[in-house]
Formats: sequence, structure tokens, C-alpha cells
Amino acid sequence: KNEVEQSPQNLTAQEGEFITINCSYSVGISALHWLQQHPGGGIVSLFMLSSGKKKHGRLIATINIQEKHSSLHITASHPRDSAVYICAVTRGSGSRLTFGEGTQLTVNP
Amino acid sequence: ETGVTQSPTHLIKTRGQQVTLRCSSQSGHNTVSWYQQALGQGPQFIFQYYREEENGRGNFPPRFSGLQFPNYSSELNVNALELDDSALYLCASSELSDTQYFGPGTRLTVL
Repeated sequence: KNEVEQSPQNLTAQEGEFITINCSYSVGISALHWLQQHPGGGIVSLFMLSSGKKKHGRLIATINIQEKHSSLHITASHPRDSAVYICAVTRGSGSRLTFGEGTQLTVNP
Repeated sequence: ETGVTQSPTHLIKTRGQQVTLRCSSQSGHNTVSWYQQALGQGPQFIFQYYREEENGRGNFPPRFSGLQFPNYSSELNVNALELDDSALYLCASSELSDTQYFGPGTRLTVL
């Protein structure tokens, strides 16, 4: 069993829909990260959080430390949101990332 | 644009050869991490360098080695290439525990 599990693996939505991607982890963490990867490989960090909730534009990330669970929400989705969204965790004082397998999101116009 | 660059963009090698991949970190970042991403999978941690010293290593054999230089550049070296080494190799720079900034990656194909 992976230390970081994401669901769903693939998600197709229509433009304007509200999207939720889930992440569960099985170890103690110092922070949870949500990242976005576009075709071609480049990875962009969206959020780093250790408690509560963060918002940036149409993106919202929440984390429940007791349940070892995090969600990434996208409001009013747009075709340009199409990408792979990856959940990752860091443990202890280091910055080594342990990644989930990623969720491929496709938003159709 | 993260300010992190990698070279080359693509590379084709044959089994048994050696390869050096390069990364230029953001100015001021004292930590560089290297990851291997096989097709359709999440990245896997190879190792991390902090102030030019190795600061943690993943489950990769010794033929994967690295260097970090004072000018914010770093290298990943892989000896005796195997077919399974074909992957996207990503470097990420940071201030130790802070947000990591990823380069665009080097796509390595081993034939």
C-alpha cells in the first residue's frame, strides 16, 4: 500500500463544474503539498499546508490531520485546468516529497 | 516560470552508458532534490543535497550519484544505464523545508 493514495485516478468534467480530488496518507507528516503537472512534465506547487484550509483564486485545499485526509477543490472549472494534480507529503524536518500517483483531470468546454 | 532550469531537455542513451543531467537552482536556495518519474506514475525521490552534502537518499542503487556546487547548480549522474532508467528526471530547489520549485525535467530514454 502506498503511503499516499489519491482518488480518483482520472476525472472528466464539464466547464463550470465544481471538482474535488481526494488524498489520504498513512504516515505522520509535517506538511501536505498539492502540485500541478502539465503535459511535458513541468510541476508547479499549488499549496503547502499543515492544517486547516488555504485558498488561491478558484483553488481551495483543506486538510484534516486527525483523519489523515486532504482535498483539493476547483470551483468554476475551466479547460485550462486540465492537468495532472498530485498530492505529496513531507515528514519530519526535511523537504523530501513522497508523492501520490496523481489524478488526471480533463475539463471539456 | 520557477527560475529552475534543467539540461538537456531530452536525451537518448544505450544500455551500459553513463549520463549526467544538470540542474540550475533558484539563487539563494540551499537545497536541491532529484526525482525520477516513470511514465504514468508519481515521481520517486532519488536524493537530496543540502549545502553541497547529501541529505537523504531514496531507494536507488549507488550507480545513481549526485553533486551540488556553490553556484546553485547540481548534477545527477547515472552509471551503467538500464532500460528501466528511462524516465523523466526532475530537480527541485528550495530553502530546506520550504516550498520546492521544480525544473521542467529531462526526458531520458535508454535503448
